[in-house]
Amino acid sequence: EPEVTQTPSHQVTQMGQEVILRCVPISNHLYFYWYRQILGQKVEFLVSFYNNEISEKSEIFDDQFSVERPDGSNFTLKIRSTKLEDSAMYFCASYLGGTSFNSPLHFGNGTRLTVT
Amino acid sequence: DAKTTQPPSMDCAEGRAANLPCNHSTISGNEYVYWYRQIHSQGPQYIIHGLKNNETNEMASLIITEDRKSSTLILPHATLRDTAVYYCIVRVRGDYGQNFVFGPGTRLSVLP
Repeated sequence: EPEVTQTPSHQVTQMGQEVILRCVPISNHLYFYWYRQILGQKVEFLVSFYNNEISEKSEIFDDQFSVERPDGSNFTLKIRSTKLEDSAMYFCASYLGGTSFNSPLHFGNGTRLTVT
Repeated sequence: DAKTTQPPSMDCAEGRAANLPCNHSTISGNEYVYWYRQIHSQGPQYIIHGLKNNETNEMASLIITEDRKSSTLILPHATLRDTAVYYCIVRVRGDYGQNFVFGPGTRLSVLP
């Protein structure tokens, strides 16, 4: 069964450094998402992406964050200057969309980002 | 905020059915109910979804009350590997994202 894949599984970085988290969504899906989960807290929405542009973002997704679909398969989340509070699990997700508007959202297994 | 309420935790004996309730009293007529689970810190795993009819797949059954104000996820023969946090989510009409809100879920512990 096709799945969303994320790399790396764990990323350690120093405060102030840039990080790029990578995702390969399911190949025929049209909508892409990033969510995050701080340890012990709820899964939170960050941003959605459709037709090569951001369709929606939460207040968490400030100017330090950006997303990109550099080619036909990858979807990336960049944090320009990491802060300690960016430490979290980051989940990529994708959704078929179109006429299958009630099809489920599929999540990857996440990247654990640790900012020191 | 999530449109659903779930008990914070439940226990179930291995091999028995696990029945996880969810209240969604403000659900609208065209909003679906989705169930996901999260094992440790893995990504949320899709289980099942439905609108008003009961649904069954290889993982679970979903029973939605006639008034659609509540539902129950049934794992017919729970195993230790079913220990996880289970999320019941009502998707507010539209795209996912802000319309797909995770609450705290129910932490299910399957006991040997």
